[in-house]
Amino acid sequence: SQQGEEDPQALSIQEGENATMNCSYKTSINNLQWYRQNSGRGLVHLILIRSNEREKHSGRLRVTLDTSKKSSSLLITASRAADTASYFCATIDDKIIFGKGTRLHILP
Amino acid sequence: KAGVTQTPRYLIKTRGQQVTLSCSPISGHRSVSWYQQTPGQGLQFLFEYFSETQRNKGNFPGRFSGRQFSNSRSEMNVSTLELGDSALYLCASSEGQGVHEQYFGPGTRLTVT
Repeated sequence: SQQGEEDPQALSIQEGENATMNCSYKTSINNLQWYRQNSGRGLVHLILIRSNEREKHSGRLRVTLDTSKKSSSLLITASRAADTASYFCATIDDKIIFGKGTRLHILP
Repeated sequence: KAGVTQTPRYLIKTRGQQVTLSCSPISGHRSVSWYQQTPGQGLQFLFEYFSETQRNKGNFPGRFSGRQFSNSRSEMNVSTLELGDSALYLCASSEGQGVHEQYFGPGTRLTVT
């Protein structure tokens, strides 16, 4: 079964607004990664957060990790049209397991 | 450096046939992983190869197999194709085994008719 489960499944927001996506998982992990996928293409790695980290930033991205709640969130600030994509969390223990993703649509 | 390349990009096969997909990792990367992506099941891990050895395997039937060559290039094979095998097959490479950041190729879109 899937390890990571993203929430919401789909999200539409106005350009310039912030987008928040959540990921919950079931078992212990070594680290958690977020990826972006545009229109059925290959995935692009966004950010990796280790199990002993609580928050990480990369440009307009902010990721948090709460291992006690087995959850992570991805915040994209000041969204742009180019952010329209599917976003996946991937939990890593001995193998990497992806969730089903959140489809983000940025409205002009 | 050149990115991960996958060939072919698109493929149409009929049920019962077999297919071989190819993946060339980023130069210097020794780990290659394969994933199947479908609208219903999402991204599912197939297997990981490191230094020509399968290190990890997902829950797929034995019809799905793979191998890695000494230059780290990898192939996956699906025998006796079924309609449900229609999917986007993604290959990813990383420097080391397991938990490293992965770099994905554009995928091979397989359609089984």
